Formats: sequence, C-alpha cells, structure tokens
Amino acid sequence: EIVLTQSPGTLSLSPGERATLSCRASQSVSSSYLAWYQQKAGQAPRLLIYGASSRATGIPDRFSGSGSGTDFTLTISRLEPEDFAVYYCQQYGASPIYTFGQGTKLEIK
Amino acid sequence: EVQLLESGGGLVQPGGSLRLSCAASGFTFSNYAMTWVRQTPGKGLEWVSAISGSGAATYYADSVKGRFTISRDNSKNTLYLQMNSLRAEDTAVYYCAKRSISRAPGPLDYWGQGALVTVSS
Repeated sequence: EIVLTQSPGTLSLSPGERATLSCRASQSVSSSYLAWYQQKAGQAPRLLIYGASSRATGIPDRFSGSGSGTDFTLTISRLEPEDFAVYYCQQYGASPIYTFGQGTKLEIK
Repeated sequence: EVQLLESGGGLVQPGGSLRLSCAASGFTFSNYAMTWVRQTPGKGLEWVSAISGSGAATYYADSVKGRFTISRDNSKNTLYLQMNSLRAEDTAVYYCAKRSISRAPGPLDYWGQGALVTVSS
C-alpha cells in the first residue's frame, strides 16, 4: 500500500503570495496517477489536478501540479482569498482503491 | 449536470446498523465505478469502499471489511452502503463519489454533499 505524506501540515500565507504544497509517496506512483483536491469547510472535496499536472475542468490556471515518481507539488501562483482551504493529494493507480494524504491546511497569515 | 445525493445518515447505537443511499443523475451510472469516502470530524479523508460499474467487483478498506457492504442498483441509478456492527470510530461524514474515467484508473470528479453518521449510545 502506498502511503502519501503531505507537508507542511499548515501553511500560513497572505493573499497574493505563492503557495507550494508537497506530497511524497512511500513508493513510486505509477503513470503519475496523482491527484489534488481542495476542500473548504462544510463542503465536499473538489478535484483540482489529475495526472500530476492536468487541471480539472474549470480550475483556474493559477493552480498547477508537477512531479513524478515519489515527489509531487501543488503550486498556487498568486493566492486569492477563496484559495484558503485544506488540500489533499491522492493516488489512484489502484483505482477504484484510493489513498489520500493527510492534508495541508492553507490559512491566511 | 452530474448530481450525487446521499441520504440515510443519522444517529445509531454501537453495534447497530445503517444503510446509506446515493442517488445519481446526469451521467450513465452503470458505466462508472463508484466509491464511498469518509471523513471523521476535523480529520482527513479515508477511502472506505468501491464497486465496479456492473456491480460484479467490490473493494473494501481493512477497517470496514466484513462489516460494510457496498452495492448498486443500476436500474435506479443508486449506490448503497450497508453498515453493520457499527463502532464509535465509524462516526464520520460519508461521501459518495464518481470515478472520472469509465474503464481506466481515474480520480474522483464528482462528490455528493455528504451524510453524517454518528455512532453513540
């Protein structure tokens, strides 16, 4: 079973700043089957990125994903007020069995 | 428009049972594997169970294996999760979610609003 470890646990930044979130896998994620989700309080998760770097439908281009193998990154180029939320990475190579990271909380500084 | 609507959550005593339903619309339900994911209060996401589009294949997390049963009725476009022998640690919001791709590995592109299950005496 692949274990995903996200860092940092909490990231405190100001609107307009750049956010860099990390997701490290315990073993290589096949074919970059790595996704990122955003979850706001009281809402269901929303798919942001799939295939490590492809944006889902309707996701602004300030969100970008990169990485391969065991190291993946979600970057938000210029934070908007609505971007402050919890972000989860997920591997889906064994889909429909999924593994999630523990999440990174992005909070306003 | 894809919609997933869960129902059936509530308060149940330890050892009790509950059945969640997820009514789907806006896509060809039988073409897609479906998944249940739960989130304990203030915690992260945990994959619980999944079922293939036909219903022939089912998958469970070790934490629920032998206690939970996933099923689907493609004629009614509805997904189910039968939960038996419930424990306090099963208390969570349960989401149903749709796999994004029909016949290949894919992330979860649509989620329901969630159903709260509380296991307490």
